Amino acid sequence: SQKIEQNSEALNIQEGKTDTLTCNYTNYSPAYLEWYRQDPGRGPVFLLLIRENEKEKRKERLKVTFDTTLKQSLFHITASQPADSATYLCALPNYGGSQGNLIFGKGTKLSVKP
Amino acid sequence: DTGVSQDPRHKITKRGQNVTFRCDPISEHNRLYWYRQTLGQGPEFLTYFQNEAQLEKSRLLSDRFSAERPKGSFSTLEIQRTEQGDSAMYLCASRPGGGDTQYFGPGTRLTVL
Repeated sequence: SQKIEQNSEALNIQEGKTDTLTCNYTNYSPAYLEWYRQDPGRGPVFLLLIRENEKEKRKERLKVTFDTTLKQSLFHITASQPADSATYLCALPNYGGSQGNLIFGKGTKLSVKP
Repeated sequence: DTGVSQDPRHKITKRGQNVTFRCDPISEHNRLYWYRQTLGQGPEFLTYFQNEAQLEKSRLLSDRFSAERPKGSFSTLEIQRTEQGDSAMYLCASRPGGGDTQYFGPGTRLTVL
């Protein structure tokens, strides 16, 4: 069965720095992969979707890459701000995307210190 | 606000009681998902509806759990004879038929005493 591993449970960085979060999956390569942000006590908020034929996707200060050979996605935040502090979840569709239900990693809790 | 809404936001109940949660998806979304999230874990899939049809259920969804989506609009998730292990955040998400992205509601936090 498909499993997702996110590199760290928690990361602490200084404001203004760039950091990279890693998401590795173990089995089949999905048709797409998504990243979500989750604040304490709230539901996940969609950030970016990257498809298997896309190498890179950007949105404002965020960049996501997808390497199907390495079975890995990287999530970059540039010029980080304290408001970026949250848990970041990687998710991919189960069964290659036929029904759309997602498998999530445990998330990486990012803390940006001023 | 036209996002996904869930009610109640918090529910505290005693072991053995029944509870019901409601989810109102984004109006034009025909796909609806329920997930459960425990502390320190990512959301785990429970069940999926396309319109009013329940098309997939996870093995996590024991026979004490039932979900409905009458008329393909709002959905309810009922847990009978709650157990302390049912304590979790229950999340609902909806998705348009032609799209991939799921939009999550704020969740219902269940505490079973």
